[in-house]
Amino acid sequence: DGGITQSPKYLFRKEGQNVTLSCEQNLNHDAMYWYRQDPGQGLRLIYYSQIVNDFQKGDIAEGYSVSREKKESFPLTVTSAQKNPTAFYLCASRYRHGGQGTDTQYFGPGTRLTVL
Amino acid sequence: GDSVTQMEGPVTLSEEAFLTINCTYTATGYPSLFWYVQYPGEGLQLLLKATKADDKGSNKGFEATYRKETTSFHLEKGSVQVSDSAVYFCALSRSAGGTSYGKLTFGQGTILTVHP
Repeated sequence: DGGITQSPKYLFRKEGQNVTLSCEQNLNHDAMYWYRQDPGQGLRLIYYSQIVNDFQKGDIAEGYSVSREKKESFPLTVTSAQKNPTAFYLCASRYRHGGQGTDTQYFGPGTRLTVL
Repeated sequence: GDSVTQMEGPVTLSEEAFLTINCTYTATGYPSLFWYVQYPGEGLQLLLKATKADDKGSNKGFEATYRKETTSFHLEKGSVQVSDSAVYFCALSRSAGGTSYGKLTFGQGTILTVHP
């Protein structure tokens, strides 16, 4: 089955540690995105990538880093510089080329990060 | 900039009641409009979408009509079930020609609880 997988589902981190969240898709989608969700709020864009080896900052990129070495993978690193990292992180992907449906993003199941 | 405003929740209904969740937007041009649903502890699932004025998106008994004159995309369902309990997000995506990166702008989400 095609889809987006995120791992781990739950992640605990001590203050001062970097952690990496995994996002993999087998939908052959070109573009991938990372969002952060906080209680009672909508989703906010952290980083996005439209093609391999290229990525751009979103609205709240400070304290985060990404890489896009393969089309299928878009890992997110939450660094110690992120002052309030406890949140639910969602990865999404989108097919860029063609007609109908290219504006639709599909989401993974999410990773809940808690800083202890 | 673009923005999406949803009616504040939480919304609590009895089974078989009629549901309306209001959504209005601010954006230039002709955005695509979406409703996503999030069940507890999960990622977002696309519920329905509309890409141009007067289009009606529908899925699983839910409907929403793209009203450009009122900049609205209200979600409706004639008879809700307990299994519809979830958080509902309204979102827009505005293409910007060749530089579009498909950013989704979300509302803050509306919690729906349906009681038997």
